[in-house]
Amino acid sequence: QSALTQPASVSGSPGQSITISCTGTSSDIGGHDFVSWFQQHPGKAPQLVIYDVNKGPSGVSNRFSGSKSGNTASLTISGLQAEDEADYYCTSHTDNITWVFGGGTKVTVL
Amino acid sequence: QVQLVQSGAEVKKPGASVKVSCQASGYTFTTYGINWVRQAPGQGLEWMAWISGYNGNTNYAQSFQGRVTLTMATSTSTAYMELRRLRSDDTAVYYCARGRVPLIPAASFEYWGQGTLVTVSS
Repeated sequence: QSALTQPASVSGSPGQSITISCTGTSSDIGGHDFVSWFQQHPGKAPQLVIYDVNKGPSGVSNRFSGSKSGNTASLTISGLQAEDEADYYCTSHTDNITWVFGGGTKVTVL
Repeated sequence: QVQLVQSGAEVKKPGASVKVSCQASGYTFTTYGINWVRQAPGQGLEWMAWISGYNGNTNYAQSFQGRVTLTMATSTSTAYMELRRLRSDDTAVYYCARGRVPLIPAASFEYWGQGTLVTVSS
């Protein structure tokens, strides 16, 4: 199972919105609605910010939203804040009852 | 509250095995599955395997088939990940993560352990 494809980096100014894409295949993203996104700050464990394509866990800011079209999922962060600077990873369940991650995207707040 | 507490850092020689534990608390262990995810230094996340807390069923990533074994002890609410025939590129932080909803392998990872650094070096 090949890794999902994410841009290496995305940047934005405070208050702006940014979108991170995550491209897979019909065997993972395209065929399943079990797509999640994680935020990871340096030296910390990942934190779930979106699950099942577009659902937000309790306690996570509603500035994070998710969507999917075909084989590509997207994470949008609205009203960008300094604390959003982190690495972001997408993951999808697959036909083989496994999970596959994207390579990660570094978000920089300018 | 849900907590996953992992065992401490390990240093192993190439060819050896390592067994990492993940002790759960704050919920009924047998209701949820546990995933194992690793992260090499400066690299991304890599899913390794999943075990059902209900019946011990497992799913493994193809890249780890034959080298990793997941087990559990329900009496102590502890999951274990054993990785054999260690290589230098197995040096990574290993995380356990609990599924968000009961039983199903497709449940996303809502709660994470603190991570266990495994260093493989001669």
